[in-house]
Amino acid sequence: QMTQSPSSLSASVGDTVTITCRAGQSIGTYLAWYQQKPGKAPKLLIYDASSLQSGVPSRFSGRGSGTDFTLTISGLQPEDFATYYCHQSQSTHTFGQGTKLEIK
Amino acid sequence: EVQLVESGGGLIQPGGSLRLSCAVSGFSVSSNYVSWVRQAPGKGLEWVSVIYKDGTTYYADSVKGRFTISRDISNNTVSLEMNILRAEDTALYYCAREVGISGNFDFWGQGTLVSVSS
Repeated sequence: QMTQSPSSLSASVGDTVTITCRAGQSIGTYLAWYQQKPGKAPKLLIYDASSLQSGVPSRFSGRGSGTDFTLTISGLQPEDFATYYCHQSQSTHTFGQGTKLEIK
Repeated sequence: EVQLVESGGGLIQPGGSLRLSCAVSGFSVSSNYVSWVRQAPGKGLEWVSVIYKDGTTYYADSVKGRFTISRDISNNTVSLEMNILRAEDTALYYCAREVGISGNFDFWGQGTLVSVSS
């Protein structure tokens, strides 16, 4: 079980936002973050909890291990407004419920 | 360039069957893990099934016994045979490459829509 919060978030261009994901049991660093825009497939941003996927801007960062994880976007850009999902792969696969990031 | 292209979706009555296909280019299905992940309309992501490079398969409890994943190495495709379909199986079905060590999904197809309705 992955509990992601908040479910929605309003922010402005240039803001820094943090999304949290909590696992029901320790998953080490088997945690990834994805971005999904309407009508598109999810895009991998962060893997192994804190490793940046190739081609992803450095304003995206991930932290955590065990049960508590965060995704931080520093200096929001217009293209960052989307839905974000965490994903654990320590035991089969489970996704968080998603966080919809909207423009304030 | 890595590409995954799903096909086979459509409108099907409850209790019916459907076979989805994922055509892969840019990597070999014989040496990679490929998963199916679905997304119900307006909802989040749900993992469905995986086939490992050694042919081992796993399923989500919600589809176990009804869905079967397989691969055709000669055509570099992965299929998902779906039987005894239910309304709650209605979703956009994505195939995705699963990175073996980390377990994350680094490449995704565009999805194929399955609608189960009478």
